Amino acid sequence: GAGVSQSPSNKVTEKGKDVELRCDPISGHTALYWYRQSLGQGLEFLIYFQGNSAPDKSGLPSDRFSAERTGGSVSTLTIQRTQQEDSAVYLCASSLGGGGGTEAFFGQGTRLTVV
Amino acid sequence: QKEVEQNSGPLSVPEGAIASLNCTYSDRGSQSFFWYRQYSGKSPELIMFIYSNGDKEDGRFTAQLNKASQYVSLLIRDSQPSDSATYLCAPLGTSGGSYIPTFGRGTSLIVHP
Repeated sequence: GAGVSQSPSNKVTEKGKDVELRCDPISGHTALYWYRQSLGQGLEFLIYFQGNSAPDKSGLPSDRFSAERTGGSVSTLTIQRTQQEDSAVYLCASSLGGGGGTEAFFGQGTRLTVV
Repeated sequence: QKEVEQNSGPLSVPEGAIASLNCTYSDRGSQSFFWYRQYSGKSPELIMFIYSNGDKEDGRFTAQLNKASQYVSLLIRDSQPSDSATYLCAPLGTSGGSYIPTFGRGTSLIVHP
């Protein structure tokens, strides 16, 4: 596609439910990032995928969070047993990767609200 | 802990003036530096990147980098009301083969007519 695509755009879920957020990166981009942004806050790094390498999960806030990337393309971020503090905009970005200097392009984000 | 510091603002400038946005970072291993603009309710969009010490100009935007001082800045000349947004600084750090942009909290810029 022309840009990074995320779905759904908005998700409202009840506390304790599981949610899945999807990211479709720019074709040919080997690096994929997940960030989250709480209201009025900066971007918090969650996880990084680069090609077929093991993902860098150092930003995941708890074991309720996990992510997969299938076939080096589409990625799914899963949040289990959601809590109200998980409410945020989840942003996915992709880049050509493979080293320093390649800029990341963002999707439009998924706004998650846990009620 | 990699830290990126930006003055949260808001920075208010009149239309036509130069807006100066500053950023300091802690990771000396950072190789590349990105500036993103984020309008309210929207996702960040890349406006500038710089790799080498010195200045890089692109239209009304100039990025300045001083790696020795761990300082990067963005100048916006002839500021327009449409430039009103939050500007995010993002050094690209390297750690164990990972290339991950670390974002500051951003500086809110208001350009008033």
